[in-house]
Amino acid sequence: GAGVSQTPSNKVTEKGKYVELRCDPISGHTALYWYRQSLGQGPEFLIYFQGTGAADDSGLPNDRFFAVRPEGSVSTLKIQRTERGDSAVYLCASSLTAGMGNTIYFGEGSWLTVV
Amino acid sequence: GENVEQHPSTLSVQEGDSAVIKCTYSDSASNYFPWYKQELGKRPQLIIDIRSNVGEKKDQRIAVTLNKTAKHFSLHITETQPEDSAVYFCAVTGAGSYQLTFGKGTKLSVIP
Repeated sequence: GAGVSQTPSNKVTEKGKYVELRCDPISGHTALYWYRQSLGQGPEFLIYFQGTGAADDSGLPNDRFFAVRPEGSVSTLKIQRTERGDSAVYLCASSLTAGMGNTIYFGEGSWLTVV
Repeated sequence: GENVEQHPSTLSVQEGDSAVIKCTYSDSASNYFPWYKQELGKRPQLIIDIRSNVGEKKDQRIAVTLNKTAKHFSLHITETQPEDSAVYFCAVTGAGSYQLTFGKGTKLSVIP
């Protein structure tokens, strides 16, 4: 596709429910990233994939958060037992490969609201 | 871990004036410094970046300067236009890392 595509664009869920957020990176991009952006803040790193494997998941806040990229393209961020503090914009990004100098392109984000 | 401070948090300028946003970072091994522009409800978009072996880079009305000794880098926008109004984020990547650590952003308002 022309850019990084994320679905859903908006999601409202009840506290305690399970949520899946999907990311379709730019075609041919091997590196994929998830960031979380709270209101009035900069994006915060969650996890990075190189191909199918999670190369760095040090930003995941706890074990309720999990992400997969089974075929090295589309990725899904999964949040179990959602809490109100999980409300944020979840941004997916991709780059041709990982490493300095490779431009990271962001999607429009999935706005998650936990009520 | 890396710590990035960004100032000011808000900035208002008259159309045609210059705007300067400054970021400081903590990890002296950091080596990549991009700037992103984010309009309300939109994705962050890269506008310019600089690597640690370069002191300055310019692209039309936008320039970035890097002072590795002092561990700070700045975004300069000249001849500002109303469409420059947005939130600007600096970011930093450390050596061997693929994480971008972002500043908290600067809301720039260009007054016509």
